[in-house]
Amino acid sequence: NAGVMQNPRHLVRRRGQEARLRCSPMKGHSHVYWYRQLPEEGLKFMVYLQKENIIDESGMPKERFSAEFPKEGPSILRIQQVVRGDSAAYFCASSKPGQGIYNEQFFGPGTRLTVL
Amino acid sequence: AQTVTQSQPEMSVQEAETVTLSCTYDTSESNYYLFWYKQPPSRQMILVIRQEAYKQQNATENRFSVNFQKAAKSFSLKISDSQLGDTAMYFCAFWVNFGNEKLTFGTGTRLTIIP
Repeated sequence: NAGVMQNPRHLVRRRGQEARLRCSPMKGHSHVYWYRQLPEEGLKFMVYLQKENIIDESGMPKERFSAEFPKEGPSILRIQQVVRGDSAAYFCASSKPGQGIYNEQFFGPGTRLTVL
Repeated sequence: AQTVTQSQPEMSVQEAETVTLSCTYDTSESNYYLFWYKQPPSRQMILVIRQEAYKQQNATENRFSVNFQKAAKSFSLKISDSQLGDTAMYFCAFWVNFGNEKLTFGTGTRLTIIP
């Protein structure tokens, strides 16, 4: 049973380019979360998605960032016109559905984005 | 809004000794979960231990145990018989269900085990 998959593991972009980060949740998991970890900091929540729905995007920057989790295929975090401040590790986590109870979030290995 | 505070940016301890990492949090909720995550140099996030707030008994996982003080909003992690493989960043995290399910993390403690 494969864990949460993220690709690429490392991504280098020049300022102004687009970055696309992919996350395949664990089998049977329909909830996906994206977190960002800036250097020497903890993880900060960005967005929570279920299949074809954005449930909570309160942690997403208002501009340039978007996320989707289509009916088929991986979840995508898209960053347009990247700037140096976007350099960070981006983690995806997935969980089973469940209302009012905690279902463990399993983390992927992260994508390290470097903006030159 | 929930906040999680880890006041020890770095700690080091000799191998085989016991070390305690501190965490405090702030919430007005009564039902929630608390976690300790380990992030080794590989950067993979690994769940070490979790505590449900409604349980009075402190959680234990082998060499890892917590001291959960609900009234004081304190949640410390004790690592006994520390090993070189325990060297990592340790993050305290909080979860409460408001209809969203995000984890709120502290800023982390970098723990180094000295041979």
